[in-house]
Amino acid sequence: EVQLVESGGDLVTPGGSLRLSCAASGFTVNSAWMNWVRQVPGKGLEWLALIKSETDGGTTDHAAPVKGRFTISRDHSKNTLYLQMNSLKTEDTAVYYCVTERAGAFPFWGQGTQVTVSS
Amino acid sequence: QSALTQPPSASGSPGQSVTISCTGTNSDVGRYNYVSWYQQHPGKAPKLMISEVSKRPSGVPDRFSGSKSGNTASLTVSGLQAEDEADYYCSSYAGSNIYVFGPGTKVTVL
Repeated sequence: EVQLVESGGDLVTPGGSLRLSCAASGFTVNSAWMNWVRQVPGKGLEWLALIKSETDGGTTDHAAPVKGRFTISRDHSKNTLYLQMNSLKTEDTAVYYCVTERAGAFPFWGQGTQVTVSS
Repeated sequence: QSALTQPPSASGSPGQSVTISCTGTNSDVGRYNYVSWYQQHPGKAPKLMISEVSKRPSGVPDRFSGSKSGNTASLTVSGLQAEDEADYYCSSYAGSNIYVFGPGTKVTVL
């Protein structure tokens, strides 16, 4: 059974940094296309970042609002996906989801982790 | 501002059908057959209901169906049930490893 468990969400001041983790089970993160998606409370979903499977090159892409500030990565030995978030802004306040991707869709989601950026 | 457009709300009585539209451009919905739909109940993570425009993942009732015409995709829920009351989001691949979502549609079962 595929399971994704996010952690690392916290209250952080503007300009600060945070690293989110997503522990995967039931599959290996190296073999899947993995993404981060966020949701501002009461608002819609926003795709943030993608890392392709190793067999597809392992390349990454980031959405324009977070490019240069956020970085997606993974650790095969820990079977864990990460999102390093730097230069955080108040508008980054949201629930962050770790998500698998297949054929342009997102079949498996974690439960989400709350990130609050406030002074 | 979302890249895709959805109506903010839709409603129907139990047993009726409701259709939600998702309008994009010829750079996303119109170009790729990678349109998907998600159901989200309050406090829960989104759940994939439709992938690749019209494919239903295992376990999704056949009351849910998807289609696409030009730059607009649609999700139809037939035989509405109380548990179908939720927010529904569409998503599309937009090329260059970028994905976009719609703002969501709140479906109310009257």
